[in-house]
Amino acid sequence: ETGVTQTPRHLVMGMTNKKSLKCEQHLGHNAMYWYKQSAKKPLELMFVYNFKEQTENNSVPSRFSPECPNSSHLFLHLHTLQPEDSALYLCASSPGLPGYTFGSGTRLTVV
Amino acid sequence: KNEVEQSPQNLTAQEGEFITINCSYSVGISALHWLQQHPGGGIVSLFMLSSGKKKHGRLIATINIQEKHSSLHITASHPRDSAVYICAVRSIQGAQKLVFGQGTRLTINP
Repeated sequence: ETGVTQTPRHLVMGMTNKKSLKCEQHLGHNAMYWYKQSAKKPLELMFVYNFKEQTENNSVPSRFSPECPNSSHLFLHLHTLQPEDSALYLCASSPGLPGYTFGSGTRLTVV
Repeated sequence: KNEVEQSPQNLTAQEGEFITINCSYSVGISALHWLQQHPGGGIVSLFMLSSGKKKHGRLIATINIQEKHSSLHITASHPRDSAVYICAVRSIQGAQKLVFGQGTRLTINP
C-alpha cells in the first residue's frame, strides 16, 4: 500500500449508469489529482485539487465530475460514459512540494 | 511530438543484464520523475531529480539539464524488475502538473 487508496479496483458499467470512484489519503498531503491512462497512451492529467479547491480542469468532459469534500478524500462521479472512456483512472496526492504518491488505480470498463 | 519522449518503447533482456532507459524532454523543467508501473496498474515513484545523479539499490537515475535528457539504469537486472517505467517532468510553467512519457515496457527473462 502506498498510502493512497482507491476503490473500487475494477468497475464495469453501462453507458446509462452512474457510478463513483473514490480516493483516500491520510498522508497529510494538500494536493490531490485524477489521472487517466488509456491503452497505449501516456498518463493524462484530468483534475487538480489544492486544499479542497479545484485548481485545474484539463478540458475534461462534463460526464466526469470531481468532488473533494476534504483534503483526504477525492471522488470522481461518472455518468453517461462512452466506451472510449474505458481506462485506468489513477489518483495521486502530493504535499505541494515535488513528490507524488499514486494509488493503485481503478480499471474502468464501459459497456 | 510529445513533450516527453522515452526510448526504447519495449525492452527485453536476460537476467543479470545492465539496462538503460532514456528520456528526452523539450520543455523547461523544475523536476523529473522516474516511475514504475506494475501489471496491476499501481505506480510507484522511484526517483525525483532536478540535477546530477541518484542511486537506490540497483537503480541509478541521471539527468543532464543542458541536454534535456535523463537515463534510468538497472544493474544486475532481475525478473521482478519487469514493469513499465515512466518518465514524467514537472514543467516550470505548470508547477504541479506532470507531463508523462509513453513508458518503456521492460521484460527480464530468467
